[in-house]
Amino acid sequence: ETGVTQTPRHLVMGMTNKKSLKCEQHLGHNAMYWYKQSAKKPLELMFVYSLEERVENNSVPSRFSPECPNSSHLFLHLHTLQPEDSALYLCASSQDETGDYTGELFFGEGSRLTVL
Amino acid sequence: GQNIDQPTEMTATEGAIVQINCTYQTSGFNGLFWYQQHAGEAPTFLSYNVLDGLEEKGRFSSFLSRSKGYSYLLLKELQMKDSASYLCAVMDSNYQLIWGAGTKLIIKP
Repeated sequence: ETGVTQTPRHLVMGMTNKKSLKCEQHLGHNAMYWYKQSAKKPLELMFVYSLEERVENNSVPSRFSPECPNSSHLFLHLHTLQPEDSALYLCASSQDETGDYTGELFFGEGSRLTVL
Repeated sequence: GQNIDQPTEMTATEGAIVQINCTYQTSGFNGLFWYQQHAGEAPTFLSYNVLDGLEEKGRFSSFLSRSKGYSYLLLKELQMKDSASYLCAVMDSNYQLIWGAGTKLIIKP
């Protein structure tokens, strides 16, 4: 079983749809992240949860809504997306020992989102 | 602003050596990371440098010069499976990871 699992792997949605991405980590980590990866661009950090509390929201549009019900699960709820939101959405986890991020992230394989 | 620069694409020959460079300008420094990402797969951690010098791990080595804001990843005895994107990331003074856009490495027989 892989350490970080994301579903679905591929998603096509219209601009008026509502969908959710799911992430589950089996590593016992206490921090989870959502990243957006677009072709030839740096990874963009969207949300960070540490000990199930959101600690960062890097000015992400409200059409993206995260949810972290426990330390093993993370969701990204999608609503009224735009075509420019098409990208690979990566979930990651890490063990935050000191209150600061250790930096060694364990990534899932991503959810490839296409918005029509 | 904060910036990480690395070449977009490199090509090398199987069995050879390749060096992927990364230069950075960040607000503070708490370490530099290299990740490998095969097409359609998750990025995976390769190396971490926080002090100047060379860290060797099998066929892969990573070098850091903090005074120059510079790192490289050295891959020896290249194999076809090394074809992937290599991501450089720096942790700044706020413990945020600043990412480069990645270097796509193509290995030819």
